[in-house]
Amino acid sequence: DVKVTQSSRYLVKRTGEKVFLECVQDMDHENMFWYRQDPGLGLRLIYFSYDVKMKEKGDIPEGYSVSREKKERFSLILESASTNQTSMYLCASTPGGITVSYNEQFFGPGTRLTVL
Amino acid sequence: GENVEQHPSTLSVQEGDSAVIKCTYSDSASNYFPWYKQELGKRPQLIIDIRSNVGEKKDQRIAVTLNKTAKHFSLHITETQPEDSAVYFCAASPYSGGGADGLTFGKGTHLIIQP
Repeated sequence: DVKVTQSSRYLVKRTGEKVFLECVQDMDHENMFWYRQDPGLGLRLIYFSYDVKMKEKGDIPEGYSVSREKKERFSLILESASTNQTSMYLCASTPGGITVSYNEQFFGPGTRLTVL
Repeated sequence: GENVEQHPSTLSVQEGDSAVIKCTYSDSASNYFPWYKQELGKRPQLIIDIRSNVGEKKDQRIAVTLNKTAKHFSLHITETQPEDSAVYFCAASPYSGGGADGLTFGKGTHLIIQP
């Protein structure tokens, strides 16, 4: 069973704080993704990574950065948290390569971040 | 970039009836179209997907149809059951192989199955 875990289920931070959200997958997946989910807006892609130390901007990268130093770990960083970054953050991974399910995104449980 | 529109935002059907959710996309380069189901408080999970070289795909009570010319695709659930109640998301992605591309999601449809 693929397991994608996120460091916190709930997080409360203050405006201006630096925030780290961690995601770990244990299935040697090549690709990892960060989305945010807001009511009525669906899931929106923030950043993704197809290899260690590689990163690509998604649809809404402003205010975020990412780090992938190891294959299994993908971190989302809010350099200076703002109230409009209050959201549910979902990490996902895909196997990559030529496996049958290489496109299927496996999601983590999510981190609900509140910025006060 | 890609834009995915999904309708309706809420759909209420009687148990046993069929449900249809429709999506349109804007980027003709998109050729991978998955559907995810998210139950309350849980993570999204893939239920079915289709690639642009296929017009229809079925898996038991669920089916997806794709019209690439019109740039729309639909999810069909037959004989709905209470456990089908959830939020359903359609998505689109360019198929470059390797699953490295992120998905552009629709805004979701809250499906309610009335007993």
